[in-house]
Amino acid sequence: AQSVTQLGSHVSVSEGALVLLRCNYSSSVPPYLFWYVQYPNQGLQLLLKYTSAATLVKGINGFEAEFKKSETSFHLTKPSAHMSDAAEYFCAVSAPPSTSGTYKYIFGTGTRLKVLA
Amino acid sequence: SAVISQKPSRDICQRGTSLTIQCQVDSQVTMMFWYRQQPGQSLTLIATANQGSEATYESGFVIDKFPISRPNLTFSTLTVSNMSPEDSSIYLCSVAISEVYGYTFGSGTRLTVV
Repeated sequence: AQSVTQLGSHVSVSEGALVLLRCNYSSSVPPYLFWYVQYPNQGLQLLLKYTSAATLVKGINGFEAEFKKSETSFHLTKPSAHMSDAAEYFCAVSAPPSTSGTYKYIFGTGTRLKVLA
Repeated sequence: SAVISQKPSRDICQRGTSLTIQCQVDSQVTMMFWYRQQPGQSLTLIATANQGSEATYESGFVIDKFPISRPNLTFSTLTVSNMSPEDSSIYLCSVAISEVYGYTFGSGTRLTVV
């Protein structure tokens, strides 16, 4: 069965510092992996996705993530944090279609990023 | 990607009453999904709504509590019935063009039951 583990429910970084949000997955099949961001009082926005092409994936707002099969990881990074990056970040893995034929996603528990001035 | 309009954005409801949440998409999509996000927690899939058929509910969610309508390819509603304070959550509508492209989410409905 598919699962996602996000290490660290809260992460604080200084403005301008490296952002590293960790995500490890478990999947019985080659996974599709996603990172979403949720700003306060808003829905989720897709940051980036891995779909079996390049292992280093670049997303919006300067974020990127690297798929490492040997480590079953898909960590999210950004070289320099900005105050506007403060939000909740969710890692997700796609699950094989159910018997009804619909696919669905398994979300991690989220990491709240705080950026300190 | 699709643009989703979800309403209401928030509501405060009395226990025992029901609330219907609407989700409008600007393009035709086969599958629409309803998620719940309880305070401080991740997203939990409630059900998948397919046009022209009964919604498919996940374990722990039943149609009597969360009836769903899907009258066409651009619209769906989720009703939270006979509400209790435990139903206080953010409810999110989402669509997926395909498994590869990921979900697009509505802005959510923040429900407080008192």
